[in-house]
Amino acid sequence: ETGVTQSPTHLIKTRGQQVTLRCSSQSGHNTVSWYQQALGQGPQFIFQYYREEENGRGNFPPRFSGLQFPNYSSELNVNALELDDSALYLCASSSPGLAGVWGTDTQYFGPGTRLTVL
Amino acid sequence: AQSVTQPDIHITVSEGASLELRCNYSYGATPYLFWYVQSPGQGLQLLLKYFSGDTLVQGIKGFEAEFKRSQSSFNLRKPSVHWSDAAEYFCAVGALTGGSYIPTFGRGTSLIVHP
Repeated sequence: ETGVTQSPTHLIKTRGQQVTLRCSSQSGHNTVSWYQQALGQGPQFIFQYYREEENGRGNFPPRFSGLQFPNYSSELNVNALELDDSALYLCASSSPGLAGVWGTDTQYFGPGTRLTVL
Repeated sequence: AQSVTQPDIHITVSEGASLELRCNYSYGATPYLFWYVQSPGQGLQLLLKYFSGDTLVQGIKGFEAEFKRSQSSFNLRKPSVHWSDAAEYFCAVGALTGGSYIPTFGRGTSLIVHP
């Protein structure tokens, strides 16, 4: 098991509501990435946070937002939930790897939060 | 834009048999390639990664993968499968975007192991 934890484990919301998911990174890691994994699909990169700043973003609308705190833990917020937001949300922690380039170091994934939107 | 194709949705093997999971990628520059495994109810675990150097990469749990630039492939292999290897396997390509390698994942291959 990794040292990455996520809460809650499961969540049920209705369309239009807002949700906050939480992630605690592994000790020593200063970067957190968030992914959305729909049923039967591979994970899709949402965004990455480094030292409390967004440091890269995938093809997700602005209603997906995040925060990173001084202890490097992170939140993912989703506003105006849609049915298609139902998925497993994964966070991963890491540190800049080769020559400070993110994504070259190993990412350690948490077990995920299963979000169901009704 | 980069993409990853895992042509096999499911693969069934007998315990002790050899395994090869296929992965083809599309990316205009030198790719950063990964294989991850996901067990039920778990997050992803990195098996191995390739960026440069020897095109045959050794990973954890007895897995290896070979990068073939001419075929745009990065197939995962294991000589003898154990029942505990049953899981979902994802291939990913990292594309350099704004100073970070952002991974694009394939849809995954589900490995079923028969006793």
